[in-house]
Amino acid sequence: AQSVTQLDSHVSVSEGTPVLLRCNYSSSYSPSLFWYVQHPNKGLQLLLKYTSAATLVKGINGFEAEFKKSETSFHLTKPSAHMSDAAEYFCVACMDTGRRALTFGSGTRLQVQP
Amino acid sequence: EPEVTQTPSHQVTQMGQEVILRCVPISNHLYFYWYRQILGQKVEFLVSFYNNEISEKSEIFDDQFSVERPDGSNFTLKIRSTKLEDSAMYFCASTWGTSDSIQYFGPGTRLTVT
Repeated sequence: AQSVTQLDSHVSVSEGTPVLLRCNYSSSYSPSLFWYVQHPNKGLQLLLKYTSAATLVKGINGFEAEFKKSETSFHLTKPSAHMSDAAEYFCVACMDTGRRALTFGSGTRLQVQP
Repeated sequence: EPEVTQTPSHQVTQMGQEVILRCVPISNHLYFYWYRQILGQKVEFLVSFYNNEISEKSEIFDDQFSVERPDGSNFTLKIRSTKLEDSAMYFCASTWGTSDSIQYFGPGTRLTVT
């Protein structure tokens, strides 16, 4: 069975410091992987996606993620946090079996302290 | 930029009543989805819809649920006889094609069953 695990339910950083949100996946197939962000009372917005073209993926707002097959990980990073980055972040997988249903991680709430 | 819209933003209903949640997907998209997130739990896939029929559904999507595209723009989720455990945020999403294409999400409808 496929699954996505986000290792931290809450992460708190200071403004200007690096962000690391961790994600591991489990799948028998090569997945497409995504990070979505949800700000309060807003829909889920795509930050970036990995689809096997390059292991380091750059997204919007300075975020990037690295796919590591050997570690089955897809951690999200940003060099310098901004107050506006405070939100819920979801690691999401689409297993490459022809199915289109997305499998979500449980989410990580990022808090940015001034 | 085109976006997925959902109405209403919040629906309160009594147990046993029927509810219809409405979504307007992005206009040139071909695949449509419903997901739900019970408070404190993961976002879960319910159903996908393509070419006027269900292409995939989860075990959650039982006989009390149905989906419809009644016209060229709307995509609806009907719950025939609501239960307390149907209380959740319901997200609609759409995408135009292949299995790794981006799913664009609406802001969600919060359904409260009393």
